[in-house]
Amino acid sequence: AQSVTQLGSHVSVSEGALVLLRCNYSSSVPPYLFWYVQYPNQGLQLLLKYTTGATLVKGINGFEAEFKKSETSFHLTKPSAHMSDAAEYFCAVSAPGSNYKLTFGKGTLLTVNP
Amino acid sequence: DADVTQTPRNRITKTGKRIMLECSQTKGHDRMYWYRQDPGLGLRLIYYSFDVKDINKGEISDGYSVSRQAQAKFSLSLESAIPNQTALYFCATSDSGAAQETQYFGPGTRLLVL
Repeated sequence: AQSVTQLGSHVSVSEGALVLLRCNYSSSVPPYLFWYVQYPNQGLQLLLKYTTGATLVKGINGFEAEFKKSETSFHLTKPSAHMSDAAEYFCAVSAPGSNYKLTFGKGTLLTVNP
Repeated sequence: DADVTQTPRNRITKTGKRIMLECSQTKGHDRMYWYRQDPGLGLRLIYYSFDVKDINKGEISDGYSVSRQAQAKFSLSLESAIPNQTALYFCATSDSGAAQETQYFGPGTRLLVL
């Protein structure tokens, strides 16, 4: 079985500050890890994903995440927040043998203050 | 034009009524999914379909049914709606293949059951 825990349902940062959204996963086999973003009144879109290879993954809009197997983590970061980054962010896990299903975390709402 | 479309975008219905939510995609993907999103709970999988003849229950299928009318169309029905089915419903698609495939989401249908 696989699961995802997102630490902090709401994160608030100032414009220009570092964004750090935390995600820990549980999986009995090497996982595939995803971050999706949901802007207000829209569906989810992929921000970035880790499959194999390089553990530091770069995504759209300046976001990146690092897969740390020893810590079972896949935290999302951005050096400098923009107002347009305000959205809800979901971490998700999939794995071979999971029948290709995604398991989502409960989401973290990011607020960016001017 | 959007690759994954959902109709209606908003719907209000009464307890006991039958309602159908529709999803269409132009991405040519084999796999389609229905999720519901509730505040603080993230996304949970209702049903998924690998092709027209292959439909599978997700983690919360009770009270729901689906129909895969064609590769491009996947409908979700609530046979007798109840208030706790009030939620935001998303359709998603992915290409056939491995667990690392990206899912592409529609804009969602907001359902209110009175």
